[in-house]
Amino acid sequence: SQTIHQWPATLVQPVGSPLSLECTVEGTSNPNLYWYRQAAGRGLQLLFYSVGIGQISSEVPQNLSASRPQDRQFILSSKKLLLSDSGFYLCAWSVKGDTEAFFGQGTRLTVV
Amino acid sequence: EDQVTQSPEALRLQEGESSSLNCSYTVSGLRGLFWYRQDPGKGPEFLFTLYSAGEEKEKERLKATLTKKESFLHITAPKPEDSATYLCAVLSGGSYIPTFGRGTSLIVHP
Repeated sequence: SQTIHQWPATLVQPVGSPLSLECTVEGTSNPNLYWYRQAAGRGLQLLFYSVGIGQISSEVPQNLSASRPQDRQFILSSKKLLLSDSGFYLCAWSVKGDTEAFFGQGTRLTVV
Repeated sequence: EDQVTQSPEALRLQEGESSSLNCSYTVSGLRGLFWYRQDPGKGPEFLFTLYSAGEEKEKERLKATLTKKESFLHITAPKPEDSATYLCAVLSGGSYIPTFGRGTSLIVHP
């Protein structure tokens, strides 16, 4: 069966510090991968998605970047965090085609 | 542009009081509609996928239905453990990206 791992679960970082959130998927190959941010009462905002290794698409301009160094690994990064980067970050995967996405447990990021 | 609207934003029910959540959508060529449950501080948990009007899916006290313009999530005799936010999403056209609604926050009182 397929599983998705996302870590860390919570993170408190000072303004200006770097960020690296990692997500890995097991039990499938060549998945679509997604990074979302969820703000309270505002739904899920898509940040990045990837259909293959090294293929990253960004939905909104921001202080963040994403990379997919391996087939089932997706990394969200920032060189210098802003207060506005605080939020709940979710990684998700889906198989190719008209199918549902499956989410990780999320990372609560607080920038102080 | 695809639009997904969920209503109501919040719903309070007494245990055993059945009700329905609505997800209305405006898309060009629906390819799939998805329902999720999200508990506080957790990632969304997949519930159902519906592909065509008239389709229904059931799981325990939940039943999802689909028409050409909306989907309903019916909750029969809910229990307090059904309290959560329920999210709806659609996949349409040639996109890889599902469009999510803002969710309905359900609280079931014992």
